[in-house]
Amino acid sequence: KAGVTQTPRYLIKTRGQQVTLSCSPISGHRSVSWYQQTPGQGLQFLFEYFSETQRNKGNFPGRFSGRQFSNSRSEMNVSTLELGDSALYLCASSLGGTSIADTQYFGPGTRLTVL
Amino acid sequence: AQKVTQAQTEISVVEKEDVTLDCVYETRDTTYYLFWYKQPPSGELVFLIRRNSFDEQNEISGRYSWNFQKSTSSFNFTITASQVVDSAVYFCALSLSGGSNYKLTFGKGTLLTVNP
Repeated sequence: KAGVTQTPRYLIKTRGQQVTLSCSPISGHRSVSWYQQTPGQGLQFLFEYFSETQRNKGNFPGRFSGRQFSNSRSEMNVSTLELGDSALYLCASSLGGTSIADTQYFGPGTRLTVL
Repeated sequence: AQKVTQAQTEISVVEKEDVTLDCVYETRDTTYYLFWYKQPPSGELVFLIRRNSFDEQNEISGRYSWNFQKSTSSFNFTITASQVVDSAVYFCALSLSGGSNYKLTFGKGTLLTVNP
């Protein structure tokens, strides 16, 4: 079974631009979560989607948004990029649909550099 | 709010040594889940183990073993006879049940370097 895929793997943008990152979950997984990883803050939860609905949201400004499509693929968007948005963005998928914590399986990440 | 502490920022060992990575967690919930992930230089987080709060049995998988102690809120990870391929950053994580069950709270990670 194919793992979680993320595109693109690397991205360079300039301040003020916007960016869209894509994530395809493992087949059959309906929950997709996004995390930001930086050297200073570590791994931080951004948001989680299930059946095209955002179920959980972390403490990030409104510039960070996401969506999920009917095939469970997800995109996250960051508008008005700031230097501090430079990070590794990781997507994780899990079965979803239960009240317990399914295991989340992570993709390889998208390395975003903001100049 | 929940919190995960990995006090060891970096550990360096020589191949074949045993090494234990510490993880201490904080939560007021009685139902929670603990995880360990490995992050090699490639960047992808690799799932190692998941344990729920009602299962305090220790687990062994090959050279890996985990010691879960609710009394001390710890979930430590031991690698026996370490190998160079074990070099990576290891993260301990916590999630709750119910509405926040898909939000993982991670520790800062422990960088393990295994030297030949």
